[in-house]
Amino acid sequence: KQEVTQIPAALSVPEGENLVLNCSFTDSAIYNLQWFRQDPGKGLTSLLLIQSSQREQTSGRLNASLDKSSGRSTLYIAASQPGDSATYLCAVTGFQKLVFGTGTRLLVSP
Amino acid sequence: SQTIHQWPATLVQPVGSPLSLECTVEGTSNPNLYWYRQAAGRGLQLLFYSVGIGQISSEVPQNLSASRPQDRQFILSSKKLLLSDSGFYLCAWTPGLGAYEQYFGPGTRLTVT
Repeated sequence: KQEVTQIPAALSVPEGENLVLNCSFTDSAIYNLQWFRQDPGKGLTSLLLIQSSQREQTSGRLNASLDKSSGRSTLYIAASQPGDSATYLCAVTGFQKLVFGTGTRLLVSP
Repeated sequence: SQTIHQWPATLVQPVGSPLSLECTVEGTSNPNLYWYRQAAGRGLQLLFYSVGIGQISSEVPQNLSASRPQDRQFILSSKKLLLSDSGFYLCAWTPGLGAYEQYFGPGTRLTVT
């Protein structure tokens, strides 16, 4: 059974810092890995999708990496801003469904 | 472009009452559809998914059921709500199985009193 873990559970940083969120999974037989953002009381917004054959994806200040063999992914956020405050979720895709981690709650202070 | 809708946005229902949550997708055909629940302090739990009209797979035995009466419509139901059914319900879709990106709706906040 696939299990996904995210560390840390919560993170508080001052504005401008670069930060790394971690995601690990137990079964390397995945199709892809997706990073999402969730604002309080809202649905999930897809940030980055990394196919199983890829090593990383970039979008603006976000960079996500994937190491299937070690069962790890990282989300790097450069020059953090207060607007980045949210919960960040990673999810790995099997054949028919996603398995989610429990998320990292990020607070960026002005 | 594709859009996913959910309604209602919020719902307060007494224990033992029925439930019907609706999800519709626009701008695509034959999507795979998913229902998730996010309980307070817990992660996202997959409840049901559907790869076509009338095809429903259940992930967790529970008090809920799902139906897909039309290609782009997915309904979550219950005959009698329990307190433990409270949570944030999210609908999602993908263009197909496997390596596709999953897109989420805005969610329905259900409180069972």
